[in-house]
Amino acid sequence: GQNIDQPTEMTATEGAIVQINCTYQTSGFNGLFWYQQHAGEAPTFLSYNVLDGLEEKGRFSSFLSRSKGYSYLLLKELQMKDSASYLCAVRDFYSGAGSYQLTFGKGTKLSVIP
Amino acid sequence: GAGVSQSPSNKVTEKGKDVELRCDPISGHTALYWYRQSLGQGLEFLIYFQGNSAPDKSGLPSDRFSAERTGGSVSTLTIQRTQQEDSAVYLCAILSLQGAGTEAFFGQGTRLTVV
Repeated sequence: GQNIDQPTEMTATEGAIVQINCTYQTSGFNGLFWYQQHAGEAPTFLSYNVLDGLEEKGRFSSFLSRSKGYSYLLLKELQMKDSASYLCAVRDFYSGAGSYQLTFGKGTKLSVIP
Repeated sequence: GAGVSQSPSNKVTEKGKDVELRCDPISGHTALYWYRQSLGQGLEFLIYFQGNSAPDKSGLPSDRFSAERTGGSVSTLTIQRTQQEDSAVYLCAILSLQGAGTEAFFGQGTRLTVV
């Protein structure tokens, strides 16, 4: 299985930049996802990384280092609506079962303040 | 979420009753996952389908939980003899390969309340 760690809570100021880290331990790594989840809503897909490096999508970027078991989500020009939980998820391939498991971290609750 | 419909959106049931939750993805997504999320908690993996088969059922909490998928599309999660601790939001997710990338979409979930 996986062990996925991310900070429980973070606070940042509107207009600033915030970096949310995620570390993981896995044996059959097959990609890392970031999701945003507002209270009472389903998670929405933000990004997917399977190769090392930075993927940029507008104000959001995601970085992956497979050798370090490390990823981060970077949010620029923070807006109040960015207040949400951010979930890191790792996909593992289990050759014995021939299956992919997608395991989520417990999420980082980001509060954006004026 | 794009491409995944779950029903019902809300379900209130009496303890001891059986419930069936449905996930209806748009066609072409072979990988389908069920999760549950209790209030203020993270996502708990339940079961994974590849096509119609479930190679990983390791997350099902007890034998009261079962799931099936037919035609490589619709999946149902059944909870028998519901207990109050089953109260949670049950989420279905699909993986979609798009060009060089991969996206994974969630349905809006079924909020189950056992009273």
